[in-house]
Amino acid sequence: QQPVQSPQAVILREGEDAVINCSSSKALYSVHWYRQKHGEAPIFLMILLKGGEQKGHDKISASFNEKKQQSSLYLTASQLSYSGTYFCGTPPNTGNQFYFGTGTSLTVIP
Amino acid sequence: DVKVTQSSRYLVKRTGEKVFLECVQDMDHENMFWYRQDPGLGLRLIYFSYDVKMKEKGDIPEGYSVSREKKERFSLILESASTNQTSMYLCASPGPLGNEQFFGPGTRLTVL
Repeated sequence: QQPVQSPQAVILREGEDAVINCSSSKALYSVHWYRQKHGEAPIFLMILLKGGEQKGHDKISASFNEKKQQSSLYLTASQLSYSGTYFCGTPPNTGNQFYFGTGTSLTVIP
Repeated sequence: DVKVTQSSRYLVKRTGEKVFLECVQDMDHENMFWYRQDPGLGLRLIYFSYDVKMKEKGDIPEGYSVSREKKERFSLILESASTNQTSMYLCASPGPLGNEQFFGPGTRLTVL
């Protein structure tokens, strides 16, 4: 039930854009996105609650397609501080268990 | 500010030892979670608790047990540590939105 993310890793130069995808085999009712910097705990970025919803956080935005059971994270004009591992997370519709995606390592170089 | 604390950042234990990892949250939330994180495998749920003295197995509970005697505290126990339990352990509890995961700093456990 773990969501699958792609790509597994990406290297960008400062100012370039990136897209990270999260796909689930089961129905999604909401999607979370997290970022984890090396040696630190993951930090919550945003939650998307409805199919088709888009949200933004600084120059990081995301979309959620409920029908396709997919979410995408968009990083525009990337900065060095964007480096880290990004996880999507899928809370259940009922119950408490939470599933995290496989993770995408993003490295921004000068 | 939301706060989740873990008892140790780094821990080194020997095979066969009993290991206790403690987690404390200050959000007065019913739910608390223990994950382990390994390269290439992401975050995997070991156990979670939805109230005091209540627990449910996650995806990888084998070799672990948990204890929740007080609402703010959730302990992960390795009954007899083994080398394949060397990992980063992360505790989490929901934040202000109600179900987003707010993580503690993590405990890097090495079992020799």
